[in-house]
Amino acid sequence: DTEVTQTPKHLVMGMTNKKSLKCEQHMGHRAMYWYKQKAKKPPELMFVYSYEKLSINESVPSRFSPECPNSSLLNLHLHALQPEDSALYLCASSQVLGEGRSFFGQGTRLTVV
Amino acid sequence: AQTVTQSQPEMSVQEAETVTLSCTYDTSENNYYLFWYKQPPSRQMILVIRQEAYKQQNATENRFSVNFQKAAKSFSLKISDSQLGDTAMYFCAFRDNFNKFYFGSGTKLNVKP
Repeated sequence: DTEVTQTPKHLVMGMTNKKSLKCEQHMGHRAMYWYKQKAKKPPELMFVYSYEKLSINESVPSRFSPECPNSSLLNLHLHALQPEDSALYLCASSQVLGEGRSFFGQGTRLTVV
Repeated sequence: AQTVTQSQPEMSVQEAETVTLSCTYDTSENNYYLFWYKQPPSRQMILVIRQEAYKQQNATENRFSVNFQKAAKSFSLKISDSQLGDTAMYFCAFRDNFNKFYFGSGTKLNVKP
């Protein structure tokens, strides 16, 4: 199993909604990442978890709240988002921080209305 | 700060021919990793090839090879015997010692039959 699985694939939410994005991998990777990708732009790093602890937070607004409940799961909790937060959210994992290949999921296409 | 530049927003190549995608980067670090990622319309970021800066030998993966010029800070991707399935957005990426990725703006490659 060399997959990173993200759910849902598409999400439409209102600005007052609370929703969560989920990411799962069963490769035994201990580093997991959230990226945000706007249309026709490269991905931008948001958060990095290493051994279930937040390692990097790229000054992301608090309306985005990451959570790593165990070594296989990574969540991104969303609350009070703005329309400009509409983007593709990509999850990735690697064996450990700074080593090996990074495997990306297919992303969640988020639209905030 | 690290920067990655891809100067070719879009390129086309005939099936079975060879194409080279350009990438330059700027860094003051001596040890780092460079990557080429492919993002097809399915949205998933797929690792194409990886180069470790301390290795002088250019990385090769089947039809994909790189020309890594460390002094010139250049990292081009050559795709031989292009296939229709190679049609995608290609991102050059730099990973620093803090495991942060810096992506170029991408090159859209269109392989024509």
